[in-house]
Amino acid sequence: DAGVTQSPTHLIKTRGQQVTLRCSPKSGHDTVSWYQQALGQGPQFIFQYYEEEERQRGNFPDRFSGHQFPNYSSELNVNALLLGDSALYLCASSLWTGGRGGQPQHFGDGTRLSIL
Amino acid sequence: GESVGLHLPTLSVQEGDNSIINCAYSNSASDYFIWYKQESGKGPQFIIDIRSNMDKRQGQRVTVLLNKTVKHLSLQIAATQPGDSAVYFCAETLSGTYKYIFGTGTRLKVLA
Repeated sequence: DAGVTQSPTHLIKTRGQQVTLRCSPKSGHDTVSWYQQALGQGPQFIFQYYEEEERQRGNFPDRFSGHQFPNYSSELNVNALLLGDSALYLCASSLWTGGRGGQPQHFGDGTRLSIL
Repeated sequence: GESVGLHLPTLSVQEGDNSIINCAYSNSASDYFIWYKQESGKGPQFIIDIRSNMDKRQGQRVTVLLNKTVKHLSLQIAATQPGDSAVYFCAETLSGTYKYIFGTGTRLKVLA
């Protein structure tokens, strides 16, 4: 049973560049959420995708955008990179409940993004 | 690998003892809670969850307690083992909001 997979595992970019991170959800899951985790902190919610639409967004600028594909995989795009975007980016998948109750989110091991 | 939680509160326990990790959550309306374990270089791993209509839930070697009056969550680990060493996060959500809010985390160190 494949878990959540993310690629790449590490990435180095420079300020002003753009980056795309990829995520494949756990088998059987249809909902993907993205989180940013700075060193020494808990994950911060960026957004969640279901049925190829953004369903909820955290407090992140619109330099952060995403996409979900028909096979439920997802991409996170960040434009105009800043030094402060250096972090571990985590993808989590779950089953959609339509707001009827929380479900466990299962995480991948993340992409470590470093901005020089 | 990368070290998670360089400046987090730390709980040190002797191998074989019980551990209690505490978490204060932020939203009194939250109705679903999860405990995660994060090892260095890895993503958070689901441990146990609890809904707001319960005040206690047990798993294998772990128990979660929920006190809604004071917005407090705790994770008890029985007979702590070296493999339990990690950073532990609580997360809360309100059904219908689709977003999970994570606490600041606690580093658990198991002493041999």
